[in-house]
Amino acid sequence: KQEVTQIPAALSVPEGENLVLNCSFTDSAIYNLQWFRQDPGKGLTSLLLIQSSQREQTSGRLNASLDKSSGRSTLYIAASQPGDSATYLCAVRPDDYKLSFGAGTTVTVRA
Amino acid sequence: EAGVAQSPRYKIIEKRQSVAFWCNPISGHATLYWYQQILGQGPKLLIQFQNNGVVDDSQLPKDRFSAERLKGVDSTLKIQPAKLEDSAVYLCASGTTGVYGYTFGSGTRLTVV
Repeated sequence: KQEVTQIPAALSVPEGENLVLNCSFTDSAIYNLQWFRQDPGKGLTSLLLIQSSQREQTSGRLNASLDKSSGRSTLYIAASQPGDSATYLCAVRPDDYKLSFGAGTTVTVRA
Repeated sequence: EAGVAQSPRYKIIEKRQSVAFWCNPISGHATLYWYQQILGQGPKLLIQFQNNGVVDDSQLPKDRFSAERLKGVDSTLKIQPAKLEDSAVYLCASGTTGVYGYTFGSGTRLTVV
């Protein structure tokens, strides 16, 4: 059974600092990995999708890396802003099947 | 393209009552999921549909939860009777096979009192 762990569970940083969020998974046989953002009381917004054959994906200030062999992914957010405050969830997809989620990292960016 | 639509956004019911949630996926998406997210946890899969057939319902509490997907499009999730521990956000997602990710709806926040 795929287990997904996100560390740390919570993170508080001053505005302008770079954010590093970690995700680890136990089974490296994945189809892809997706990072989501969730605002309080809201649904999930997809940020980045990395296919198993890729090493990283970038979108604006966001960059996600994937090391499938070691079961790790890292989400970098450059020059954080108060608007980046949210919970960030990592999800892996084995083969062409359901997503397995981590519990998330709750980020607070202080102005 | 239109996103995944869910309703209602919020629902408060008493324990032992019944409740139903509705989901309309993105047009053309064959796969539809219902997830349960308890406060402070990641979403947990309840049921997966491929077109109008069930692919995985191993984590669906079948004594009280039921779900159907009509004509391979809209889906409803029902809880009867509800328990206090069913208080959670219920998320619907849809996707296609292949290299694309999944799109989630805004969710329904259920509070059982």
